[in-house]
Amino acid sequence: GQNIDQPTEMTATEGAIVQINCTYQTSGFNGLFWYQQHAGEAPTFLSYNVLDGLEEKGRFSSFLSRSKGYSYLLLKELQMKDSASYLCAVPDSNYQLIWGAGTKLIIKP
Amino acid sequence: GAVVSQHPSRVICKSGTSVKIECRSLDFQATTMFWYRQFPKQSLMLMATSNEGSKATYEQGVEKDKFLINHASLTLSTLTVTSAHPEDSSFYICSASGRDQNDRNEQFFGPGTRLTVL
Repeated sequence: GQNIDQPTEMTATEGAIVQINCTYQTSGFNGLFWYQQHAGEAPTFLSYNVLDGLEEKGRFSSFLSRSKGYSYLLLKELQMKDSASYLCAVPDSNYQLIWGAGTKLIIKP
Repeated sequence: GAVVSQHPSRVICKSGTSVKIECRSLDFQATTMFWYRQFPKQSLMLMATSNEGSKATYEQGVEKDKFLINHASLTLSTLTVTSAHPEDSSFYICSASGRDQNDRNEQFFGPGTRLTVL
């Protein structure tokens, strides 16, 4: 079966750095996605990792370790607008996304 | 990234009526479209997968006779909630699957439709 785990909620301070972890168990591997979802809105794409290592994109970076079934999303210089849910997702063999439950990130001034 | 639109963005209807939600891929051909439902403070839940020209595949627990899905073309899929009831009130999101400029198979999401059944 397939399973994705990520923390339910995290709190961080404006201007700080936060790391959101995701562990997954899949029968195959077709990459890993991170999405951001603000309340009442559809998810928006953040990153896609298919090779091991860190991919940096502005304030957001995503890391993947296929051997460990582990990924993290790193958010730097946090802004209040970063308060959202962050969803980890992996495609199955039919490219249907299997979703984690999402991590609600709360940013405090 | 590619653009997916949904219409309407918000709908309020009376119990017992049917509601149709459209999902369009505007600048690419989507061979597969997915319909999700999201209740407040919960994660996305896949309802069904539709491939152009064939019947949709529904997830366990989703009534196919209640949630009618039509995927008549490579750019349009519709979800009809028949005889809607208050418990059907939810945020319905579609996504379209296609390959981006990096030949990466990705899902592109519509903005979602907020359904409220009175």
